[in-house]
Amino acid sequence: QVQLVESGGGVVQPGRSLRLSCAASGFTFSTYGMHWVRQAPGKGLEWVAVISYDGSDKYYADSVKGRFTISRDNSKNTLYLQMNSLRAEDTAVYYCAKDTMAFDTWGQGTMVTVS
Amino acid sequence: QSALTQPASVSGSPGQSITISCTGTSSDVGGYNYVSWYQQHPGEAPKLMIYDVINRPSGVSNRFSGSKSGNTASLTISGLQAEDEADYYCNSYTSSSTRVFGGGTKLTVL
Repeated sequence: QVQLVESGGGVVQPGRSLRLSCAASGFTFSTYGMHWVRQAPGKGLEWVAVISYDGSDKYYADSVKGRFTISRDNSKNTLYLQMNSLRAEDTAVYYCAKDTMAFDTWGQGTMVTVS
Repeated sequence: QSALTQPASVSGSPGQSITISCTGTSSDVGGYNYVSWYQQHPGEAPKLMIYDVINRPSGVSNRFSGSKSGNTASLTISGLQAEDEADYYCNSYTSSSTRVFGGGTKLTVL
């Protein structure tokens, strides 16, 4: 079945970096765009970034532009989010999601705490 | 990238119908038929309920329906059930090729 599994979350100090991964299975990863979405504790969903199926196009939320980089390795069926210059307000559960002009499949999320 | 506007909360009794609105601009909701709705129960990942304004994914109850008029999209849940109690979020594609969520609506089934 279609599955997304995030990893790489943890506790990190402000100003440091962290890289999240999202392992995909059950579908042809290389033919779909992919997103990162986050949710701060007790708050709503916030779209973070999207990458096209081949990695040629990338777009970011203003809140992370210049600090976060989305990338993918289609040979490994894996999506990444490199997060630099982390701030307390980046504390959230980070989800990866498959794109069909909607987020039709979500992972279980990985928690990032900046403190 | 301003969030779409949703009511913070709505409520209804079992069997009743409720509607959640999602207001944006001509650069997002009003400009594209790429509005989607998500249901999220506490501690769980969101679940896609409606895509492309009006379409239901396989397996989603036909009690859930979507619509759009101008810059406002709506999610209607008919025949409310206790299991529908959850947070609901709308999302839209934007003219900047980004996506934007609504602030979320907490549905309480009385």
